[in-house]
Amino acid sequence: GAVVSQHPSWVICKSGTSVKIECRSLDFQATTMFWYRQFPKQSLMLMATSNEGSKATYEQGVEKDKFLINHASLTLSTLTVTSAHPEDSSFYICSAETVAGLSYEQYFGPGTRLTVT
Amino acid sequence: QKEVEQNSGPLSVPEGAIASLNCTYSDRGSQSFFWYRQYSGKSPELIMFIYSNGDKEDGRFTAQLNKASQYVSLLIRDSQPSDSATYLCAVKGGGSEKLVFGKGTKLTVNP
Repeated sequence: GAVVSQHPSWVICKSGTSVKIECRSLDFQATTMFWYRQFPKQSLMLMATSNEGSKATYEQGVEKDKFLINHASLTLSTLTVTSAHPEDSSFYICSAETVAGLSYEQYFGPGTRLTVT
Repeated sequence: QKEVEQNSGPLSVPEGAIASLNCTYSDRGSQSFFWYRQYSGKSPELIMFIYSNGDKEDGRFTAQLNKASQYVSLLIRDSQPSDSATYLCAVKGGGSEKLVFGKGTKLTVNP
């Protein structure tokens, strides 16, 4: 299957600082990547859809100025959590979409666990 | 609003049994259906996808789709303790629409 990596796998930062998370599709090109957040024992929550070369589309309630997304190439998308606060502590997961004819499949990265102190 | 419903469980089966996981969806226009497995503390892993009515088999896993009833299921044969995880059903419309996830069913396979 397709492989998606994320870096870092975990990060601890101080309140008020910014953190950048990278998502890479290793063996395929992804025109579309997605960013999710998951709190403990809760469902995945889609934050935004990222298309290569264009602005991300954010879900309702997600602050675009706080969660900056850049999809600079067909294999790399980044999420920057700006001015992080303890309530931003969560498991951030990206996914990348492969397209083959009419088939669209999303593969997830391993996730980044963010702790804001 | 598009919705995907799953029984949250927990579903408990003995080792070697068949585990049956069910999912219903609200949008009749849905075209692609996915099952993901998520171990505790890990990200989801795609295990099956199905686009056409009927059954699709892959090893011990069988996905079943009934578009008329808006129902998709996952059968796991010869369940193993390593199958213990939360199984997420996800549904997608045409093209590059976002996935809509169910809340997941927690499966426990008892040795």
